[in-house]
Parts: sequence; structure tokens; C-alpha cells
Amino acid sequence: AQSVTQLDSQVPVFEEAPVELRCNYSSSVSVYLFWYVQYPNQGLQLLLKYLSGSTLVESINGFEAEFNKSQTSFHLRKPSVHISDTAEYFCAVSETAGGSNYKLTFGKGTLLTVNP
Amino acid sequence: DADVTQTPRNRITKTGKRIMLECSQTKGHDRMYWYRQDPGLGLRLIYYSFDVKDINKGEISDGYSVSRQAQAKFSLSLESAIPNQTALYFCATGLAGDPTGELFFGEGSRLTVL
Repeated sequence: AQSVTQLDSQVPVFEEAPVELRCNYSSSVSVYLFWYVQYPNQGLQLLLKYLSGSTLVESINGFEAEFNKSQTSFHLRKPSVHISDTAEYFCAVSETAGGSNYKLTFGKGTLLTVNP
Repeated sequence: DADVTQTPRNRITKTGKRIMLECSQTKGHDRMYWYRQDPGLGLRLIYYSFDVKDINKGEISDGYSVSRQAQAKFSLSLESAIPNQTALYFCATGLAGDPTGELFFGEGSRLTVL
């Protein structure tokens, strides 16, 4: 069965600093990978996803994540964060085949707090 | 208007009461899901449905039941609520034929059981 580990439960940073939110997954088959973002008092929104092809994927608001198959990781990065990036970020995985298809498994989340 | 609508958005109830959380969607998706979010635990799958006649248990279905009244409606019930069911509940939808499992979420229903 697939699983996701987000290594940091909270990440505080200052505005305009770089940030990396770490995500590792475990699966016996190929996977699809997602990052969702939850702003305060809102539902989850898709930030970016890796399906196939280029291992580096980008979002429209400056985040990027790189799929590393050998390290089973999908870390999220942004070179310069804004106050508005304060949110909880969830990494999620689904398997490309097998009994758990069509179900996302989520990590426990990382709370990113951007301070002025 | 939101594509995935949950009602109520907030509810406070007492132990032993029956509670229903409702979800409706205008996305035309066949797949619907109920997740529960607890601080530090992330999202955990309660039930999911791939069409009106299909209901499947997730990892934490005990104490919950669901009803898929139509393609667009999926309700979650707590027959006898208990305090450890206090949580934020999310409904989500997915497109049939999408192999990736990508989900689209509602705004959430915050339930407090006293």
C-alpha cells in the first residue's frame, strides 16, 4: 500500500526567504504525485502535480516540485515566499495500477508560516 | 458558486445525536469521496463512491455511513455522534476515466461533538 511522509509539520520562514517542504512516498508501483494547498478556513486546492514526463513541475504562483524516483521524493520549493503563501501544504500520492487506484493518500501536512 | 458544496459549514451537536453532512457537486464527476481532517493527522478517507450504485469503505469508516442519492449528491451520516468525531470533514470529487486520482474539494464542514 502507498504511504506519504511529510518530514516537517511546521516550517516558519521570513518573507522573501527560500523554502523547501519535504515529501517522501512509499509504493511498490509507479505513482502520480500531488501537492495541495489549504489556505486558512478554506478547502484544499491543487497546487501542482506530477504525472509523467519532465520530473520538474511548476505552479502558476512560483512553486516547483521535483520528482526523484531513486529517492522516492517530491519536495516542494519556492525561491522567495510571500506572506500570502502562509497555508498548510499536503503531499499526496496515487498509484498508477492496483487495488488502490483512484484514491489519493495524503501526508499529514506541513504548516508554512511566512513572517514579515 | 462553488463546484463542490458542503452543508452545513459548521455544526455543533451533542453526544448521541444523529448528524448528516451533505455534499452536492456541479462538476459532473462520477467519483465522490468523504475525508476527515484532524490536526497533525492529515486527511483520512472515510467512504468513497464511483457511481450511484457503488459504495466503498475507506480506512476509517467505523461510526459513519453514507448515501449516494444521485450522481451529484453524496451524504455522510453519523448515527450516534461521539466527541472523537469532532473534526473538519471534506467532500471531494473525481473525474471518471481519470487514472491519476486527482480530487476537487469542497470548502469543508466543521463538526463539533460535545
